[in-house]
Amino acid sequence: RKEVEQDPGPFNVPEGATVAFNCTYSNSASQSFFWYRQDCRKEPKLLMSVYSSGNEDGRFTAQLNRASQYISLLIRDSKLSDSATYLCVLYTGNQFYFGTGTSLTVIP
Amino acid sequence: DVKVTQSSRYLVKRTGEKVFLECVQDMDHENMFWYRQDPGLGLRLIYFSYDVKMKEKGDIPEGYSVSREKKERFSLILESASTNQTSMYLCASSPPTTGYEQFFGPGTRLTVL
Repeated sequence: RKEVEQDPGPFNVPEGATVAFNCTYSNSASQSFFWYRQDCRKEPKLLMSVYSSGNEDGRFTAQLNRASQYISLLIRDSKLSDSATYLCVLYTGNQFYFGTGTSLTVIP
Repeated sequence: DVKVTQSSRYLVKRTGEKVFLECVQDMDHENMFWYRQDPGLGLRLIYFSYDVKMKEKGDIPEGYSVSREKKERFSLILESASTNQTSMYLCASSPPTTGYEQFFGPGTRLTVL
């Protein structure tokens, strides 16, 4: 079983829409959680860390549900520039594990 | 800004060649990592290092070795390149605090013919 599972999409949404991604993980001892963004032919970059209490950064909201072992990312008022692949990442205390990514395309 | 650089963006090698991929970071990070990224498989950890001359195997170390002689430099070596090692190789570094953000280099697209 993979450490991290993500729906690969693609998600195609119109500008201004709200879109949500989920990511499930199998290791209940996972310590830290992140969402990374990867543009086409570029390296991954940290979008935001995910905390148990939930956290928000502008149009982006991340949530962690330890009981059900999933994390989520909500994007409100989607912009064309949000088109990218979003990677779910967790840290188990030993190493990082990356999901395969969810592809988002925001359509004009 | 943290900067992680990789020696080549694109590389083409022949089967059986010895290949060196170099990674340098300028933020004095203790931790450095080598991943490969393949469609549908995501990023998979090959090797990592938490200190100079220290190395640990990741999930897919077979066919690879690494070298970390200096803190800022982490090299990935393909002893005898094979076609199934055609991939995007990404180097990353992070500070010593466990579970902290990783900073990635731009990647090396390696093609083995």
